[in-house]
Amino acid sequence: SAVISQKPSRDICQRGTSLTIQCQVDSQVTMMFWYRQQPGQSLTLIATANQGSEATYESGFVIDKFPISRPNLTFSTLTVSNMSPEDSSIYLCSASRGSGANVLTFGAGSRLTVL
Amino acid sequence: DAKTTQPTSMDCAEGRAANLPCNHSTISGNEYVYWYRQIHSQGPQYIIHGLKNNETNEMASLIITEDRKSSTLILPHATLRDTAVYYCIVRVDFTQGGKLIFGQGTELSVKP
Repeated sequence: SAVISQKPSRDICQRGTSLTIQCQVDSQVTMMFWYRQQPGQSLTLIATANQGSEATYESGFVIDKFPISRPNLTFSTLTVSNMSPEDSSIYLCSASRGSGANVLTFGAGSRLTVL
Repeated sequence: DAKTTQPTSMDCAEGRAANLPCNHSTISGNEYVYWYRQIHSQGPQYIIHGLKNNETNEMASLIITEDRKSSTLILPHATLRDTAVYYCIVRVDFTQGGKLIFGQGTELSVKP
């Protein structure tokens, strides 16, 4: 399965600022997804990162707040814009080669704290 | 994607088998059953998946009932490191638009 690296692993941010999280996969993958995990909660899917086109967002998530890029088959970014304390969460990148077992692999996550 | 129902929490003695149930009574014929776990402060880890037949790998066994409406994940010899939240998820293949949607999962505590 793919190996996923996320940066930063954690950060403390000020209200009103934006932060970009990077996700690097060690091999080409078909599918990439971004999830959010709020404190004490399960994971919530934010969007599917589509290579070469706009991301597909889940209900409750919008591009202006969570712009996503996916310039190639191994890299994606998620930006959390105009942050508020409610955005304090772990953000996780995941990827699948989309063939064979179709296993989705996750990064370790980026823990954001907004003050 | 079909919804799943899992117990909120379970305990298991170290060295014993941990049997985690999952109900997915509305599963469709083309939906797989996946199990993931999340150890505290880590990303979710894939455990096993299946469609119709029982499956076994180095981590666990997956038993799916004949009508596919429920399944059981078996950790044959639980250790303290197996303490985690276990998620049962059903979905169609990614190529058919399937997405991994997490429920609340079962919090498994393995005790000495």
